[in-house]
Amino acid sequence: NAGVMQNPRHLVRRRGQEARLRCSPMKGHSHVYWYRQLPEEGLKFMVYLQKENIIDESGMPKERFSAEFPKEGPSILRIQQVVRGDSAAYFCASSPEGGTEAFFGQGTRLTVV
Amino acid sequence: KQEVTQIPAALSVPEGENLVLNCSFTDSAIYNLQWFRQDPGKGLTSLLLIQSSQREQTSGRLNASLDKSSGRSTLYIAASQPGDSATYLCASPTSGTYKYIFGTGTRLKVLA
Repeated sequence: NAGVMQNPRHLVRRRGQEARLRCSPMKGHSHVYWYRQLPEEGLKFMVYLQKENIIDESGMPKERFSAEFPKEGPSILRIQQVVRGDSAAYFCASSPEGGTEAFFGQGTRLTVV
Repeated sequence: KQEVTQIPAALSVPEGENLVLNCSFTDSAIYNLQWFRQDPGKGLTSLLLIQSSQREQTSGRLNASLDKSSGRSTLYIAASQPGDSATYLCASPTSGTYKYIFGTGTRLKVLA
């Protein structure tokens, strides 16, 4: 059973472009969480999704950021019109229904130039 | 609202020392508490998970304890090695979810 897979591992975007970050949860996991780690800061919760539903997006910036977890395929974190301040490591975690632990991916490092 | 604090923020020790990293949390109604290791520019490696009903967990040279009544967890590293140098994070989910609240970490450097 492969772990949580995130791709790409590194992503470079110019200011104003769109960034798409993908997260494939562990097999059988139906809950996905996204976190952001700004340089020299701790990880901050962004959004919690179950299949086809956003459960909690209280940590998402109000503009330019969106997330989805479709019935088929990976979860996508989308950042439109990126700015330098979006440069960070974005981590995804997944857990099964009724599980007791979340498992983290290796992260995507976004650099906006 | 859960808040997680870690002290010290940084620690430098000579090889071979036993050391303790501290983690405090404000909401004692926790599911579990998890310790992670993060190497520079890398992802998270889960070290130990303590369920709310447990008092401690051990893995090799690592031992983590949990005291919910005082809102504290400690990570004990025995006979530290240069390879232990990394940032250590503790995290606990808010009640009823797996929305983890992370501490800001302790940056450990073990000198050869």
